Amino acid sequence: GESVGLHLPTLSVQEGDNSIINCAYSNSASDYFIWYKQESGKGPQFIIDIRSNMDKRQGQRVTVLLNKTVKHLSLQIAATQPGDSAVYFCAERAGGGADGLTFGKGTHLIIQP
Amino acid sequence: DSGVTQTPKHLITATGQRVTLRCSPRSGDLSVYWYQQSLDQGLQFLIQYYNGEERAKGNILERFSAQQFPDLHSELNLSSLELGDSALYFCASSRTGIAGYTFGSGTRLTVV
Repeated sequence: GESVGLHLPTLSVQEGDNSIINCAYSNSASDYFIWYKQESGKGPQFIIDIRSNMDKRQGQRVTVLLNKTVKHLSLQIAATQPGDSAVYFCAERAGGGADGLTFGKGTHLIIQP
Repeated sequence: DSGVTQTPKHLITATGQRVTLRCSPRSGDLSVYWYQQSLDQGLQFLIQYYNGEERAKGNILERFSAQQFPDLHSELNLSSLELGDSALYFCASSRTGIAGYTFGSGTRLTVV
C-alpha cells in the first residue's frame, strides 16, 4: 500500500550547523503534512505543519518545504543544538475527511559537539 | 507535560490476557486518536473518536477495541494478547480533528 518513508535512518551533524531531514510520500491525495520530534521515552511532539496548497512554511529555527511534483517533504533545522537530538517523523493525512496520519519510519538526528 | 494523560505508563502481562489502556485528552479537545508504535512497524494509526463517536479506523485488529466516554476520556481494550502486541501505545487529542494533534507519553505494553 501507499506509505510515507524517510531517505536516511540516521543523520549526524555538528552543533551549530543546519540539518535537513528528507521524506518521500506516495499518496498524491494527501492534503496535510506534519513533522514530529520524538525524544527517548516521550511521545511525538509537534514541530511544524504544512498544507498541500503551500510549498514552504517557517517556524522558529525550522522550515518545512513541500514539493508536490516529486512528492517530497523536508525539514530544515537551523543552527542545531544538542536538544535537537531526537527521532524525527514526517506524517501525512490522506485527505477526504480522514484524520488518521500515516507516519514515516523516522530519522535519528544526532548532534555532534 | 503535553496535557494528554495516559495510564498506566508501563504494563506487563501474559499472552492471552486482556488489558485496558486509558487516555485523558487535553482540556477542550474533542478528538482522541490511538496509535501503536513498534520497532518493525513504526507509528501506526489505530482508531479515532470524536465527541464519543467513532470517526475513523486504521490498522486496528479485531482483538482490539476502543471507546470514548461522555467525559471525553478514552479507553483502548486489547484482548487475547500475543507477543507481537508488545509496543508503545500512544493517545493523542485535538480540538478540530487535525492541525498537529498532541500526543501523550504513551503506555509501554510488554506481553510475555
